[in-house]
Amino acid sequence: KAGVTQTPRYLIKTRGQQVTLSCSPISGHRSVSWYQQTPGQGLQFLFEYFSETQRNKGNFPGRFSGRQFSNSRSEMNVSTLELGDSALYLCASSTAGYLENEQFFGPGTRLTVL
Amino acid sequence: GENVEQHPSTLSVQEGDSAVIKCTYSDSASNYFPWYKQELGKGPQLIIDIRSNVGEKKDQRIAVTLNKTAKHFSLHITETQPEDSAVYFCAASKSNDYKLSFGAGTTVTVRA
Repeated sequence: KAGVTQTPRYLIKTRGQQVTLSCSPISGHRSVSWYQQTPGQGLQFLFEYFSETQRNKGNFPGRFSGRQFSNSRSEMNVSTLELGDSALYLCASSTAGYLENEQFFGPGTRLTVL
Repeated sequence: GENVEQHPSTLSVQEGDSAVIKCTYSDSASNYFPWYKQELGKGPQLIIDIRSNVGEKKDQRIAVTLNKTAKHFSLHITETQPEDSAVYFCAASKSNDYKLSFGAGTTVTVRA
């Protein structure tokens, strides 16, 4: 079974630009979560989607947004990029029901903001 | 919200020795505690997890223990090997919250 895939793997942007990251969950998984990983703040939860609905959101500014499509694929968008947005953005997927908090991570997208 | 603390931040062990990483959590409603291993350039990999209705779980050289009363859980790696060198993260989650709260991570180095 293929794992979680994320595209692109690396991205370089400049301040003020916007960026869209994509995540394809494990086949059959309907929940997708996004996390930001930085050396200073560690792994921080951004948001979670299930059946195209956002069920939880972390403490990030409104510049960070996401969505999920009917095939469970998800995208996250960051507008008006700041230097501090440089990070590894990780997507995780899980199944529904009792095992839904077992999250499996993709390799991440490394975003560098110049 | 949930606060997960993880110790130590770095751990160096001789090959063949054991490694222990400890985490505490603040939210008594948390009921799921996974451990992840992250190697350089990769995403975190789930290596073992435990739910609050279980006190201990073992998978080959890896074991996790949970003390709900004290709100702490630990990862034990026995007979460490060089390939165990990585960053390990503990996390906590509760039902219907749909998110993991992570510890700060432990960098484990296994000396050959």
